[in-house]
Amino acid sequence: SQTIHQWPATLVQPVGSPLSLECTVEGTSNPNLYWYRQAAGRGLQLLFYSVGIGQISSEVPQNLSASRPQDRQFILSSKKLLLSDSGFYLCAWSGGDTQYFGPGTRLTVL
Amino acid sequence: GENVEQHPSTLSVQEGDSAVIKCTYSDSASNYFPWYKQELGKRPQLIIDIRSNVGEKKDQRIAVTLNKTAKHFSLHITETQPEDSAVYFCAVFMDSNYQLIWGAGTKLIIKP
Repeated sequence: SQTIHQWPATLVQPVGSPLSLECTVEGTSNPNLYWYRQAAGRGLQLLFYSVGIGQISSEVPQNLSASRPQDRQFILSSKKLLLSDSGFYLCAWSGGDTQYFGPGTRLTVL
Repeated sequence: GENVEQHPSTLSVQEGDSAVIKCTYSDSASNYFPWYKQELGKRPQLIIDIRSNVGEKKDQRIAVTLNKTAKHFSLHITETQPEDSAVYFCAVFMDSNYQLIWGAGTKLIIKP
C-alpha cells in the first residue's frame, strides 16, 4: 500500500531564515505530487504541483519554490521566510484523480 | 476556469439529526467529485467520492448525490455523532491539469 511522509512535523523559524520541507511517497511510482498551504481556520491553497521529475508548476507567485529531485520526493523551499508564510503545509500524492495527504508540517514564523 | 462554491460555511446540528452540505461547480465537463473530512490539527482525509456516471453513492451513514444538469453535489450525513464534528471540504477534479479545485469548507458542529 502507499504511504506518504512529511517532515518535520512542526517547525518554528525566525523571519528571514531559510526553509526546507520534505515529502516522500512509498508504494507507487510516477505519482503526481502537490504542495498546499492552509492558514489557520482557512481552506486549502495549492502552491505547487508536479507530474514528473523536474516538472514543477507554480500556482501562486511568492517567495517559495519547489523541486522534485527524485520520482517520489518533493521539496518545498524558501530563501527568506515571511511572517505570512506561517501555516499548515500539506503534501499530497495522486495516481489519477484522488489525492491523499501527508500528515503535514505546522510552520510558525516569528 | 472551474469555480466551486460550498454552503453553508458553518452547520450546527443536534446529535442524531442529519446534516447536508452542498457544493456547486461551473465546468460541465468535470466528472470526479470527492469529499474530505479534516479534524482539528489533522490532515484532510477522503471520506467518499462520486463520478459522473452515477447519481448517488452511499457508505454507511454518509452519502453523496450528484446532479450534473444543475451542476451541484451534496454530502449527506445521517444519525450524526460527536465524532462527525470536523471541517468538510468538497472538491472537483480538473482533467486538464490534474488539479482538485476546492470548496472553502464547512465547519460541522454536533451538539450533544
